[in-house]
Amino acid sequence: GAVVSQHPSWVICKSGTSVKIECRSLDFQATTMFWYRQFPKQSLMLMATSNEGSKATYEQGVEKDKFLINHASLTLSTLTVTSAHPEDSSFYICSAKGRRNYYEQYFGPGTRLTVT
Amino acid sequence: AQKITQTQPGMFVQEKEAVTLDCTYDTSDQSYGLFWYKQPSSGEMIFLIYQGSYDEQNATEGRYSLNFQKARKSANLVISASQLGDSAMYFCAMREEYSQGGSEKLVFGKGTKLTVNP
Repeated sequence: GAVVSQHPSWVICKSGTSVKIECRSLDFQATTMFWYRQFPKQSLMLMATSNEGSKATYEQGVEKDKFLINHASLTLSTLTVTSAHPEDSSFYICSAKGRRNYYEQYFGPGTRLTVT
Repeated sequence: AQKITQTQPGMFVQEKEAVTLDCTYDTSDQSYGLFWYKQPSSGEMIFLIYQGSYDEQNATEGRYSLNFQKARKSANLVISASQLGDSAMYFCAMREEYSQGGSEKLVFGKGTKLTVNP
């Protein structure tokens, strides 16, 4: 149990376009979802936290107008990278937290974004 | 501010031997949680083990054990009987709770790349 999926697993887009990444909890209700970014050979950095039905909370330094997060339901959160630029190329990972286990976050497989 | 320190950028171990990956943390909170995750080259984050700050016994999960020394603020991961499939990046992380909103976040260390040699 506790499976989180992400779609797409990888995407290549042109500079200036927008890209949407989906994160779904497949077998549990995710009260909270988290979005992380990981640059090559670096650690995961939290971008934002979203609770179902409420606005996302962004970490300091993360542009909320550029990285739009929507937690539309208890099983789906989306991250939209608007007007993407090459410096947005990164590995984006979501995680989800349910009610079953108070401490554990379940991670998705990640989405590799390349902006050309 | 919390901080997770992993001082070993890379570690090598022979197959079937045990290896310890170091992690120290810095927090002023009384209640906190410590995690270890494995990230193979595919990129997925695999949960390995969790230790709560109030847990009196060291956590164990199969071949993984966490050597929790609270006074020294260290939470080292011990992998026994290493296997070739253990080769991966390993991240230590701490759960931080926000005082407002009831939410939380994980703060990750920089990771240790473990290579298991046959």
